Amino acid sequence: DADVTQTPRNRITKTGKRIMLECSQTKGHDRMYWYRQDPGLGLRLIYYSFDVKDINKGEISDGYSVSRQAQAKFSLSLESAIPNQTALYFCATSALGHYEQYFGPGTRLTVT
Amino acid sequence: KQEVTQIPAALSVPEGENLVLNCSFTDSAIYNLQWFRQDPGKGLTSLLLIQSSQREQTSGRLNASLDKSSGRSTLYIAASQPGDSATYLCAVRQADYKLSFGAGTTVTVRA
Repeated sequence: DADVTQTPRNRITKTGKRIMLECSQTKGHDRMYWYRQDPGLGLRLIYYSFDVKDINKGEISDGYSVSRQAQAKFSLSLESAIPNQTALYFCATSALGHYEQYFGPGTRLTVT
Repeated sequence: KQEVTQIPAALSVPEGENLVLNCSFTDSAIYNLQWFRQDPGKGLTSLLLIQSSQREQTSGRLNASLDKSSGRSTLYIAASQPGDSATYLCAVRQADYKLSFGAGTTVTVRA
């Protein structure tokens, strides 16, 4: 089984809808991250969490919110989806004191 | 703000040829640099991580060099195979958590 899983893997939604992307990990890592990837651009950090009570904005947090329900679960919400939020979304984890991040398979989100 | 650039954006080579992928960054104050491979539908896989104090790292057919002062890293893949076809991303770390990514180089190895 994959160490970092994301659900759903693909989602098409309409403008104005609320949508939640979920991430779960079995690596026992404290730190979790949400990124988005757009064609021709590198991954950009949306939010990150160092533990259940520590959540921080990344460089492009506007229009997004997150919830860290447990050490192993980190959800990303789009309160009112808009077309320019169409992108590939990645969740990642890392252990305290270690630099390497481990990525999930991604969620492809399309907002029409 | 750190800017990471990868050139070329795409590369096509015949099987057996060596691959050379370039990554440049604007702020040399980095903790480390990481090379990833991205396959469609499978997320990112870490290939090599070079600490800022290191000049290179090797793993099998892969070798990555780092010249921090000039803001450059190069990933070499020896004797390329069709299975090496993927997008390769480099990312630099400055603060404890933040990775700044390049847009990637998409490699096609022709059989």
